[in-house]
Amino acid sequence: GESVGLHLPTLSVQEGDNSIINCAYSNSASDYFIWYKQESGKGPQFIIDIRSNMDKRQGQRVTVLLNKTVKHLSLQIAATQPGDSAVYFCAENGLSGGSYIPTFGRGTSLIVHP
Amino acid sequence: DAGITQSPRYKITETGRQVTLMCHQTWSHSYMFWYRQDLGHGLRLIYYSAAADITDKGEVPDGYVVSRSKTENFPLTLESATRSQTSVYFCASRNGQVGNEQFFGPGTRLTVL
Repeated sequence: GESVGLHLPTLSVQEGDNSIINCAYSNSASDYFIWYKQESGKGPQFIIDIRSNMDKRQGQRVTVLLNKTVKHLSLQIAATQPGDSAVYFCAENGLSGGSYIPTFGRGTSLIVHP
Repeated sequence: DAGITQSPRYKITETGRQVTLMCHQTWSHSYMFWYRQDLGHGLRLIYYSAAADITDKGEVPDGYVVSRSKTENFPLTLESATRSQTSVYFCASRNGQVGNEQFFGPGTRLTVL
């Protein structure tokens, strides 16, 4: 389930299940969207991106869906593994002064139980 | 070493002291960014730079100063540290203006007593 508040939203799944992490973005003019994975004690790492002219993009075991109508982004992870346990951030990139500047969501903590 | 590095990795300082966090990248990426990460706030942009000698404010720039005299370096200075600046600081770089992926450093954990 998920919990909200001062702590990060958390998603707990069993190994082998599919995981879906959601993100709401705010700027309807954002053109690029990126998902990052952050393991404990490390910097965020790129997972997958999608441009606003697409609604779906697939990578290795991951799929990103973009719904511009409701400004919603989701990351689907197939056959979740313990190594997928991390905090996942979405980032929207909108133009500001001629540069694409990212704005990050709060993040979701994914816990995978073996 | 290739990549993006930050130093120091850990720093403890006192209120009122000046602190400089270093960031170095070896890819010659044009864009560099500084973020702070606090529980409940995610990553918040402090400053960014589009090229050498070009810097701009992000969401939370107050109390911080940056410079970029060389493409590969982007130091962040806290001129007079405050307890509210206790945080984990991440530097990132990006190749070009387009909003594609950023490459993050390992972070600096700063504690202001």
